[in-house]
Amino acid sequence: SVLLYQKPNRDICQSGTSLKIQCVADSQVVSMFWYQQFQEQSLMLMATANEGSEATYESGFTKDKFPISRPNLTFSTLTVNNARPGDSSIYFCSSKTISNERLFFGHGTKLSVL
Amino acid sequence: QQKVQQSPESLSVPEGGMASLNCTSSDRNFQYFWWYRQHSGEGPKALMSIFSDGDKKEGRFTAHLNKASLHVSLHIRDSQPSDSALYFCAASSNTGNYKYVFGAGTRLKVIA
Repeated sequence: SVLLYQKPNRDICQSGTSLKIQCVADSQVVSMFWYQQFQEQSLMLMATANEGSEATYESGFTKDKFPISRPNLTFSTLTVNNARPGDSSIYFCSSKTISNERLFFGHGTKLSVL
Repeated sequence: QQKVQQSPESLSVPEGGMASLNCTSSDRNFQYFWWYRQHSGEGPKALMSIFSDGDKKEGRFTAHLNKASLHVSLHIRDSQPSDSALYFCAASSNTGNYKYVFGAGTRLKVIA
């Protein structure tokens, strides 16, 4: 299994500002994924981040708005640029082991944009 | 149209009862399914996968897959208050593809 730790647990920011969410894995993982979840709704895959390469973004999510870094096999950051109230949601980092298709999730970062 | 539909949206069952959750994929490519459970304030946790036709049992949880109709169900017997959570069905196009599409979820409440 993989344990994923996210920081911060929650954040409140003003519209137009940027904030950064960190995710640390307790073991090396090939891919890290970032998901967005609006209040008790479905989970939407935002992007996939592999070490040393540009993140791959899903439809509706862009690198300019949600830049992601993956400097090593245990760490990733998601930045929310020019935050808007519509970005208010919970952001999860996720990963999987090589031998299993099971996804593991962090506890999430709840973002509120005023 | 969402590729993975779940029903019902919410469900209440008495403690000790059976909870039945449903999921259907509208894309014939999505034939590999996982069930995830999310307690309030936590990240989702995988319950079980089902990739082949028929039933798969893990403890109190039984999943059933009908590939012809792309319908999968999850049955929880002897439901406990701790089973109260949001349940997601996730579907993928093949076992090597991490891109699971999640349904909108079923909110289960087990009443003591």
